[in-house]
Amino acid sequence: GAGVSQSPSNKVTEKGKDVELRCDPISGHTALYWYRQSLGQGLEFLIYFQGNSAPDKSGLPSDRFSAERTGGSVSTLTIQRTQQEDSAVYLCASSYRQGNTEAFFGQGTRLTVV
Amino acid sequence: DAKTTQPPSMDCAEGRAANLPCNHSTISGNEYVYWYRQIHSQGPQYIIHGLKNNETNEMASLIITEDRKSSTLILPHATLRDTAVYYCIVRADSWGKLQFGAGTQVVVTP
Repeated sequence: GAGVSQSPSNKVTEKGKDVELRCDPISGHTALYWYRQSLGQGLEFLIYFQGNSAPDKSGLPSDRFSAERTGGSVSTLTIQRTQQEDSAVYLCASSYRQGNTEAFFGQGTRLTVV
Repeated sequence: DAKTTQPPSMDCAEGRAANLPCNHSTISGNEYVYWYRQIHSQGPQYIIHGLKNNETNEMASLIITEDRKSSTLILPHATLRDTAVYYCIVRADSWGKLQFGAGTQVVVTP
């Protein structure tokens, strides 16, 4: 596609429910990143994929958070038993490869846990 | 990744050049300097990056000091649409993630 696509753009869920957030990277991009941004805060790194493997998942805040990537393309970020503090904009980015290249960001999924 | 230091905010008059400083005194030889910006309610946008030589593209110029301990992003003719948070990031070539700091809130005024 023309850019990184994220869905849904907005998600409201009840506390305790599970949610899945989807990221479609730019075709041919092998590196994929997930970040989150709470209201008025900076970007917090969550996890990074190179192909289908995740060499750096150091930013996942708890074991309620998991992510997978299949076919070297689409990635899904899953949050189990959502809490109010999970409310944030979740951003996905992709790049042609790791390292010295620019990353392109999607517009994000705004998650609200009520 | 080396830590970067940026002023929290700065104002710029429309049509004038905006010079955004960044200190990265602990940068290593294999680390690049990247600049991104985030316009309100949008995802971050790549601007430019460089290793040691000055770089220029259609958006901006990047000036890196000879000792590489600091750099300046130059927006040559700021417009109101350049109002955004600008992030200076230092990143090793072999690293995956971009580590965002607090950035500089730039406000371009008429």
